[in-house]
Amino acid sequence: AQTVTQSQPEMSVQEAETVTLSCTYDTSESDYYLFWYKQPPSRQMILVIRQEAYKQQNATENRFSVNFQKAAKSFSLKISDSQLGDAAMYFCAYSNYQLIWGAGTKLIIKP
Amino acid sequence: GAGVSQSPSNKVTEKGKDVELRCDPISGHTALYWYRQSLGQGLEFLIYFQGNSAPDKSGLPSDRFSAERTGGSVSTLTIQRTQQEDSAVYLCASREGLFSYNEQFFGPGTRLTVL
Repeated sequence: AQTVTQSQPEMSVQEAETVTLSCTYDTSESDYYLFWYKQPPSRQMILVIRQEAYKQQNATENRFSVNFQKAAKSFSLKISDSQLGDAAMYFCAYSNYQLIWGAGTKLIIKP
Repeated sequence: GAGVSQSPSNKVTEKGKDVELRCDPISGHTALYWYRQSLGQGLEFLIYFQGNSAPDKSGLPSDRFSAERTGGSVSTLTIQRTQQEDSAVYLCASREGLFSYNEQFFGPGTRLTVL
């Protein structure tokens, strides 16, 4: 069975700096998708970025990028130029017919 | 277009009462998911629907929990004889299909408080 692990319950970063959130997963599949979702205090879950395992190139969405290491089964999220609005819970997820979720990392932005 | 909607947004009930939580998915989305999220925790999968069928009910915590979906659209999650441990945010998500690349679109959730 697939599993997703986020080992950082909480992270903090100074505004305008860069932070990396970690995620590892376990699967025997060769092609799959990975997602990062953000859940701000409003509790609305929002997709941040997705990565196809088949593609070697790391996905990028504006200030958000991933470091996808397929062999290591690692999928970290890098947030550049952190902004106050980035404060939220961040969840990593592995996709098959459903999403397998990590436990989440609470990101705190210090002004 | 409209996103996923859920009602009510908040529900306070007394222990032992039944509650119904409603989810309206994005039109045309065949897959629908229910999750439970306790305070400060991750998402606990409850059940998913493909059309009106529920191939995976493995996450339902007890037989007090049931869900149905009609017309391939609206879904209702019912909790009978609520207990205090049922207090949580219940999230619904819909997905265009079961392909791995499809993201799930979430509703705003229903916060259930059982007194």
